[in-house]
Amino acid sequence: SQTIHQWPATLVQPVGSPLSLECTVEGTSNPNLYWYRQAAGRGLQLLFYSVGIGQISSEVPQNLSASRPQDRQFILSSKKLLLSDSGFYLCAWTQGGSNQPQHFGDGTRLSIL
Amino acid sequence: AQSVTQLDSQVPVFEEAPVELRCNYSSSVSVYLFWYVQYPNQGLQLLLKYLSGSTLVESINGFEAEFNKSQTSFHLRKPSVHISDTAEYFCAVRSVGYQKVTFGTGTKLQVIP
Repeated sequence: SQTIHQWPATLVQPVGSPLSLECTVEGTSNPNLYWYRQAAGRGLQLLFYSVGIGQISSEVPQNLSASRPQDRQFILSSKKLLLSDSGFYLCAWTQGGSNQPQHFGDGTRLSIL
Repeated sequence: AQSVTQLDSQVPVFEEAPVELRCNYSSSVSVYLFWYVQYPNQGLQLLLKYLSGSTLVESINGFEAEFNKSQTSFHLRKPSVHISDTAEYFCAVRSVGYQKVTFGTGTKLQVIP
């Protein structure tokens, strides 16, 4: 069966520090991968998605970036965090084919001080 | 473009009473529709999905949703709620041929003992 792992579960970082959140999927190949940010009362905001290694689509201009160095690995990064980057970050995957639902990781709670 | 509207941000309901969580969508093409549930500090879990065929879809824990194309709705219902149903529920739409899923802003279901 397929599983998705996301870490760390919680993270407290000072303003201006770098960020690296990692997401890996097991049990499937060539998944579509997604990064979302969830803010209270605002639902899920799609940040990035990837349909293959090295292919990244950015949805919202910001100081975050994403990379996909391996087929089942998706990384969310920042060089210098802002207070507004606080939130709950979720990674998701889906198998190719637009009728497939997304499956989510357990999320990372990021607090910027 | 596709969009989802969940008009109710919070729905309080007494235990064993019925509940309906409303969802309306918009898309210029055919769609796939999903309901997800999120418990505190966790990722989203797929509750049920409409891909094609029967317009009434059911989950294993008693929820059901009906796809209504003329009203562009996909409301979630349960005839008798339990305390354990307290969570936030998200409706999502994925247009045929699209890679991206659009989520509603969520409805918090609070079951009152």
